[in-house]
Amino acid sequence: IAGITQAPTSQILAAGRRMTLRCTQDMRHNAMYWYRQDLGLGLRLIHYSNTAGTTGKGEVPDGYSVSRANTDDFPLTLASAVPSQTSVYFCASSPRAGEGTGELFFGEGSRLTVL
Amino acid sequence: GQNIDQPTEMTATEGAIVQINCTYQTSGFNGLFWYQQHAGEAPTFLSYNVLDGLEEKGRFSSFLSRSKGYSYLLLKELQMKDSASYLCAVRDSNYQLIWGAGTKLIIKP
Repeated sequence: IAGITQAPTSQILAAGRRMTLRCTQDMRHNAMYWYRQDLGLGLRLIHYSNTAGTTGKGEVPDGYSVSRANTDDFPLTLASAVPSQTSVYFCASSPRAGEGTGELFFGEGSRLTVL
Repeated sequence: GQNIDQPTEMTATEGAIVQINCTYQTSGFNGLFWYQQHAGEAPTFLSYNVLDGLEEKGRFSSFLSRSKGYSYLLLKELQMKDSASYLCAVRDSNYQLIWGAGTKLIIKP
């Protein structure tokens, strides 16, 4: 049972470099999300997708982009990384956006350090 | 603005009971969630409240008062494995989740 898989688990990269965090789910969930988690702050939504082919901006979208070409994959790209993007990134999914219990299923996280 | 408040850290003794409070001010309300997150791991779903009252699930219970903008998570018969952070989140009128910073619960023998 895979659920949601994120890659890489951990990465150190130089400021200014381009980086893509991968996220794949095998639960056929319609909705997918990218969050960042920083010490002392709650999870903050970066981008979301309610269904394949659509995406939306969350609370902190600047410097990030996403795509949702199919149901399973939801990559997050940092076009030109900056130190303030050092964080733990979580990908999550739910069967449908805003319905039912709204339970989110999270990937194991990607720890990104930008120097 | 939208705000979720919960204590930063709490300490309790193995076998005891602990109550973690959460107060919220959000644009609309479409449910309140509690998640558990062990250090270095992903959050996992614990409970969901949309109506006032108590929801019980084994050793864990969650309470909601919408008029007071208040919830608590009650953990009974504490075990060492309950040492974790507990995240409170509210789904607002746009069906987006607003998250608290989490409460780190330390269990001592």
